Amino acid sequence: KAGVTQTPRYLIKTRGQQVTLSCSPISGHRSVSWYQQTPGQGLQFLFEYFSETQRNKGNFPGRFSGRQFSNSRSEMNVSTLELGDSALYLCASSLERGGSYEQYFGPGTRLTVT
Amino acid sequence: GNSVTQMEGPVTLSEEAFLTINCTYTATGYPSLFWYVQYPGEGLQLLLKATKADDKGSNKGFEATYRKETTSFHLEKGSVQVSDSAVYFCALSDLVGGSNYKLTFGKGTLLTVNP
Repeated sequence: KAGVTQTPRYLIKTRGQQVTLSCSPISGHRSVSWYQQTPGQGLQFLFEYFSETQRNKGNFPGRFSGRQFSNSRSEMNVSTLELGDSALYLCASSLERGGSYEQYFGPGTRLTVT
Repeated sequence: GNSVTQMEGPVTLSEEAFLTINCTYTATGYPSLFWYVQYPGEGLQLLLKATKADDKGSNKGFEATYRKETTSFHLEKGSVQVSDSAVYFCALSDLVGGSNYKLTFGKGTLLTVNP
């Protein structure tokens, strides 16, 4: 079974631009979560989608948004990029079952904002 | 709210040394507990898990026991290898709003194993 895939793997953008990142979950997984990872703040939860609905949301500004499609693929968008948005963005999918909510992560998208 | 506290790193060991990375948690319900590992330049991989008190998760020589009385889930390995060098994350999952689950991660512990 294929793992979680994320595209692109690397991105370089300029301040003020916007960016869209894509995530394809493991087949059959309906929950997709997004995380931002930086050396200073560590792993921070952005949001989670389940069956095309945002179910949980972290403490990030409205410039960060996401969506999920009917095939469970998800995208996240960051508008008006700031230097501090430079980070590794990780996507994870989950097959919720019996209270054990284990997540499977993709390799991440490394975003650099200049 | 839920929280996970890991021992501060970095941790540096010699090959074949014993490893312990401490993890304690705060949760209102009965969470499942996890250890994830992140190798340089990669995403997180699930290392092991435990879903109820006194469960022991194990994988690749690593072990952790779910201790409800001390709210802990310490990671141990009897003999580390250079290839174990990575960042280790402790995490818990718990119900949110009674209907869905959310993962909470610790800040991570960098382990370096020298030959």
